[in-house]
This record gives sequence, structure tokens and C-alpha cells, in this order.
Amino acid sequence: DVKVTQSSRYLVKRTGEKVFLECVQDMDHENMFWYRQDPGLGLRLIYFSYDVKMKEKGDIPEGYSVSREKKERFSLILESASTNQTSMYLCASRRRQQATQYFGPGTRLTVL
Amino acid sequence: GENVEQHPSTLSVQEGDSAVIKCTYSDSASNYFPWYKQELGKRPQLIIDIRSNVGEKKDQRIAVTLNKTAKHFSLHITETQPEDSAVYFCAASWETGGGNKLTFGTGTQLKVEL
Repeated sequence: DVKVTQSSRYLVKRTGEKVFLECVQDMDHENMFWYRQDPGLGLRLIYFSYDVKMKEKGDIPEGYSVSREKKERFSLILESASTNQTSMYLCASRRRQQATQYFGPGTRLTVL
Repeated sequence: GENVEQHPSTLSVQEGDSAVIKCTYSDSASNYFPWYKQELGKRPQLIIDIRSNVGEKKDQRIAVTLNKTAKHFSLHITETQPEDSAVYFCAASWETGGGNKLTFGTGTQLKVEL
């Protein structure tokens, strides 16, 4: 079974803090994605990565950055957290030649 | 870029009835249309998908239909059961074999009542 894990299920941070969300997959998938999920807005793509060292902006990249130094790990960084970044963050991965995305359990981030 | 609209946002049905969720997409180049199910507190999981070279696909009680001309696709669940209660997301992408990104709809909260 594909396993996608995220570093925290719940996280509480203060405005202005730098926040790191980590995602790890164990199936040697080339592609990895970060989404945020908000009620009524569905899943919105923040950033994605086709392979190691590669990154592409998604639909809502403002206020976020990413890092993919190793194939199995994709990190989402909030340089200076703001209250409007309070959300559920979901990581996903997929094999390049296959369309199915596999999601992690999510991190519910609250910024106070 | 691609835009996917999904309706309804909430759907309540009696156990045993059918449920239909509809999505429209904007990019005529899109050729891959998956549906994900997210149970409460859990991660989204793929339940069925369809590619643009077919018009319908079935898997037991669920089916997906695609109308490329009208640029819409639908999820049909027959003989609904309480365990079908979840949020369902449609999505669309242009799959090139080299990896691509999905654009998701806003989700439908399905509630199956006893």
C-alpha cells in the first residue's frame, strides 16, 4: 500500500511565525502536491513538484514556499504565518505515469 | 487554466435511493476525470475515474458518465447505504503521461439517511 504521512495532525502557531509542514511518501513517487482544504472551496493547489529539486506554483502560492531536496519528502513553508492561513493542509503524491493521487492524513493548522 | 464547478454542495437521500453529483469543466483539452471520496476525518481516496475516450464507466454501485461536447461529467451512486455518507470531489486534468495537476471541484456533502 502507498503510504503518505504528514508530520503533524494538528498544529497551532502564532501570527508571524515560520511554519514547516512535512510530507513523506514511501513509494518512490515522482510527483508531489500540497493542497489546502477549506469549507465550500474544495481542494486548492498551493504548489507541486514533478521531481527532486523541481517546483511549480499552483493556484494559490502566495504566502507559501516549498522545498524538495529528496524524492520522498516535500515540505511546505509558511514564511510568516497569518490568520488567513488557518486551514487543513493535505499532501499528495503520484507516480508520473499513473494518474491516481494518494493523499496524506492532513494537518489542521491554526494560526492565532 | 482549468475551472471545475460542482453541484450540488449538499445532497441528502434516503437509504436505497440513488444519488447524482454533477460537474462541469472549462478546458476542452482535459482528458482525465477522477472522483474522490472523503469520509469524515479521513483523507480523500479515489473511487472511480474516467478518461475522455469513453462515455461511461461502472464499478458495482457507482458509475461515472462523461459528455465531452457539453463538458460535463457526473457521478451516480445507486442503492445508497449509510457508509456512502461523505464528501465527494470531482476533478479534471490533462494527462500527458508526464504527470500533471488536478483541478478539483468544491465538493458535495452526501448524507444518506436511514
